[in-house]
Amino acid sequence: QVQLQESGPGLVKPAQTLSLTCTVSGGSVSDGDYYWSWIRQPPGKDLEWIGYIYYSGNAYYNPSLKSRLTISVDTSSNQFSLNLNSVTDADSAVYYCARGDDYGIIDHWGQGTLVTVSS
Amino acid sequence: QPVLTQSPSASASLGASVNLTCTLSGGHVSYVIAWHQRQSEKGLRYLMKFNSDGSHARGDGIADRFSGSISGAERYLTISSLQSEDEAVYYCQTWGIGMGVFGGGTKLTVL
Repeated sequence: QVQLQESGPGLVKPAQTLSLTCTVSGGSVSDGDYYWSWIRQPPGKDLEWIGYIYYSGNAYYNPSLKSRLTISVDTSSNQFSLNLNSVTDADSAVYYCARGDDYGIIDHWGQGTLVTVSS
Repeated sequence: QPVLTQSPSASASLGASVNLTCTLSGGHVSYVIAWHQRQSEKGLRYLMKFNSDGSHARGDGIADRFSGSISGAERYLTISSLQSEDEAVYYCQTWGIGMGVFGGGTKLTVL
């Protein structure tokens, strides 16, 4: 069974870079039938799509975050990662990694990790 | 870009059934959608995928108390024999222009 697990700091200072990694088990990030995504939910707010990546390394970003965002994939480690720079308190949220199918449907989620931006 | 509209809240009694609705915006009524559940203090869980012909497929380990139906632009998630653990926020999701789209979620209260 496919499982995804986020890891990274739970506290990031303003203006610094938020870095998270998602480790995939029971499946492979090299599987061309799927894409690998980051989604977040600030407290009390809606889910927001951050971006996604294919095994090839082709990544697609939410236009509202594009200037600050990098998503990468490491097929040797079966992981994919998120880097969001110049963070503010508006970036405080639960961050989820997820797998999507060729219809764009998320079919597996990580458990989510709370990231707080604060000095 | 498709828009998914959900009622903010719903309630039903323990042991009863409830229908949650997700409405696809005009021009997008043939889109595939998914339903996801977020229980309090827990993460998101994929429930099922819903095709435009009404067929659907549940995720791993999802009880058959969860089912779906379709009427035009409306996608329904039916939960039967409600249990206390079904109290959660339910989101529908589809694919838009270059990225996914979520509905605002329906908070289900089990009375």
